[in-house]
Formats: sequence, structure tokens, C-alpha cells
Amino acid sequence: DTGVSQDPRHKITKRGQNVTFRCDPISEHNRLYWYRQTLGQGPEFLTYFQNEAQLEKSRLLSDRFSAERPKGSFSTLEIQRTEQGDSAMYLCASSSTGTRGGGQYFGPGTRLTVT
Amino acid sequence: DAKTTQPNSMESNEEEPVHLPCNHSTISGTDYIHWYRQLPSQGPEYVIHGLTSNVNNRMASLAIAEDRKSSTLILHRATLRDAAVYYCILKNAGNMLTFGGGTRLMVKP
Repeated sequence: DTGVSQDPRHKITKRGQNVTFRCDPISEHNRLYWYRQTLGQGPEFLTYFQNEAQLEKSRLLSDRFSAERPKGSFSTLEIQRTEQGDSAMYLCASSSTGTRGGGQYFGPGTRLTVT
Repeated sequence: DAKTTQPNSMESNEEEPVHLPCNHSTISGTDYIHWYRQLPSQGPEYVIHGLTSNVNNRMASLAIAEDRKSSTLILHRATLRDAAVYYCILKNAGNMLTFGGGTRLMVKP
């Protein structure tokens, strides 16, 4: 399968713990995006990378959220000191700069439950 | 960000065409019109996009009004697998997608 993959698909954690999610984009895509989706709402943009550079991070929800893409391939999203309000689906997408105005391709998401 | 307006929900019969409308009266000249859909328990799926001219691909057609203030996503023959939330999004030089509430399409057998 050559689509976007995310790991894990589900994560249950206790309040106050740190969690890290991984995203592997489509191999030829140099842009990678993170979104969050809560129940009944559309996805909400968090941050994006072009290659290894994080070009937009002002939409990250708080300083507890951070993302990396160290070699311009896979990316990780970390949430420190999780809170119950962090419970949501975390989605990753990738795209190519080659197609002007082109689409983003999403992974299946990681569902986080904070108890 | 320029906004879009879509009906909350629509119903269709299986094997009939579906026309999903989207209004975007504040669209700027550089905004592309994108459509995504999200099936239950899955990530969003790119459907189609266009700038000024109508577009066709294997999934759907996109009809764009001449003044670009509205567009219509056309599914030529709805199947039960097309039941999803459809999002109409304006995308410019920025790289984020701003999702609204979308239209929940229900397909009746």
C-alpha cells in the first residue's frame, strides 16, 4: 500500500501522560500536514512541513503540542501532559509541491482517548 | 479565509445522480475550489479540485459557475459507498485546508 500510514491507530492514555504519534507520508510527497478532528466537527489544521522545515506552527493548540520531521520523511506529533480535552482523532496528510493547487492525501488517523 | 456554505445534509437514491452545492461568494481570484469527502471512521479523501473551468475525474465532476461564486460537485451515479460527509473548501497559496461543517450525504437503496 502506498498511501499515508499512521501509527498507532488507537491510543488510550491517562491524563498527564505524554503520547507520540507517527505518520509516514506518500514517499514522493515533500509536504506533510497534521490535523485534529473532534467528534462531529471537520478537521482542524495544526501544522505542516515542507521537507524537514516546519513552515507553519502557529495553529498548534498549545505549547504541549510539538511536531518533528527530522529527515523530511516520516513525522511525529507529540502531546505532553495530556488532558481529557485532547481526546480526538489526529490526522496526517501529505501532498506534493509539484501540482499547483493539488490535493492532500490523508491517512486513517490515530484516535486518542485520554482517561 | 474565504468561507463556503453548504447544506447540512442531502439525500439521494442509489444509482441516481447527486448534485452537491457550495456557495463561496467571497472567493478570491487565486482560490482553488477543493472537494473532499469523509466516510465514517476514515480520514478525509481528496475528490476533485478546480480553479475556473469544469473538471472531471474518475470519482466526480466539478461544475464551477462563471462568476466562481458557487460550484457543484456531481456524482454521476450514487452508490451506497458514496454515503459520506462532503466538504467544499477554498484553498489559496497557503497550505492549510479549512474544513467547515460539510454536507452529510445519505444514499437510499
